[in-house]
Amino acid sequence: DIHMTQSPSSLSVSVGDTVSVSCRAGQNISNYLNWYHQKPGKAPKLLIYGASSLHSGVPSRFGGSGSGTDFTLTISSLQPEDLGTYYCQQSYRTLMYTFGPGTKLEIK
Amino acid sequence: QVQLVQSGAEVKKPGSSVRVSCQASGDSLSTSALGWVRQAPGLGLEWMGGIIPVLNIPVYAQNFEGRVTITADKSTTTGYMELRSLRSEDTAVYYCMKIGDDCSGVTCYSRMDVWGQGTTVIVSS
Repeated sequence: DIHMTQSPSSLSVSVGDTVSVSCRAGQNISNYLNWYHQKPGKAPKLLIYGASSLHSGVPSRFGGSGSGTDFTLTISSLQPEDLGTYYCQQSYRTLMYTFGPGTKLEIK
Repeated sequence: QVQLVQSGAEVKKPGSSVRVSCQASGDSLSTSALGWVRQAPGLGLEWMGGIIPVLNIPVYAQNFEGRVTITADKSTTTGYMELRSLRSEDTAVYYCMKIGDDCSGVTCYSRMDVWGQGTTVIVSS
């Protein structure tokens, strides 16, 4: 299995801030990296796929970058509805996926 | 746009089995894969495995190999996940999702783009 790590594990931020979340893969996964957002009690939702492609309907304040082993999710001009937990997920091999442990975002 | 509706909550005894269903509406899953993820209380997302319905070939995560069976019906509108030999640590919300591909040339990116609402499974004596 490809091991995924994320940092930080939690973050306390203010509305309007720019936030960055890091994700690291245990081996080179090219740009086969997706990002999801999960609000408490809800199913996760896809934000970014292919490391940097914005999923349909996702606000443009979300952006993704990176390739190889190091990736970043950036949220510009943070909104109150952005609270929750963010997960990265590698899709390097078909149906042999793994998730990062998550980064919990709290709004001050 | 496909929607996924999962079966209702379950309470099971240790050692028993549970079967969760995931029905697609609005479209079939014929051109997609179907996956399963679980989330124990207060913890993160754990990949369990998936299936490509048109090929009927399941792939299981190492942690669940031998204890889980993932299937999809021939019409590819309903998927199933069966977990056996349940223990208290299997208490979790179980999610199904459609895994769609976005392809450009020879490169395809798989992503979990539609999720079910989740099914709570509680294992308790």
